[in-house]
Amino acid sequence: RKEVEQDPGPFNVPEGATVAFNCTYSNSASQSFFWYRQDCRKEPKLLMSVYSSGNEDGRFTAQLNRASQYISLLIRDSKLSDSATYLCVVNIPWTSGTASKLTFGTGTRLQVTL
Amino acid sequence: DGGITQSPKYLFRKEGQNVTLSCEQNLNHDAMYWYRQDPGQGLRLIYYSQIVNDFQKGDIAEGYSVSREKKESFPLTVTSAQKNPTAFYLCASSIPVVHQPQHFGDGTRLSIL
Repeated sequence: RKEVEQDPGPFNVPEGATVAFNCTYSNSASQSFFWYRQDCRKEPKLLMSVYSSGNEDGRFTAQLNRASQYISLLIRDSKLSDSATYLCVVNIPWTSGTASKLTFGTGTRLQVTL
Repeated sequence: DGGITQSPKYLFRKEGQNVTLSCEQNLNHDAMYWYRQDPGQGLRLIYYSQIVNDFQKGDIAEGYSVSREKKESFPLTVTSAQKNPTAFYLCASSIPVVHQPQHFGDGTRLSIL
């Protein structure tokens, strides 16, 4: 089983639609969760951290279900500019040191159309 | 403006040649990382460093080498031993604490001539 799994998509949605991405992770010791956005041929950029209680940032809502080891990202009122690949990122604690390894899903591609 | 600068943006390697990718950050982050991304694949960790003068192998370190002589700098050398170097290379940095995200430079695209 992959450490982080995402549906690769693509998700093709009309402008204004609501779209949800799901992600599962395999390591129950994971403590930190993030969604990154990556535009074509660009670097990943942090979209939002995911907190246990769920969190919202404008049109974006992230949820975490530790029992099911599942993370989601909801985008409401999709804009053309939301078209990108969305990466689910989970930390895997190192056995030593204070930093931890971030494991990246392969991403879900979103295409928002007129 | 604080950030991570990678150079060059594009790099071409000849057979048998070593090439070095530069990564500089002025975010005062202790931890730095190198990833490789192949088309349609996720990022894979090559090397990481949690502090100056220390670095560790990631998942795919073979054929690569790094140094961390200064906090701001974490150069990656792609050696001739790396037989499939064509990829998008991304450098990242972070505060080395569990809940801190990593921030990325804008990457270097390496191709074989």
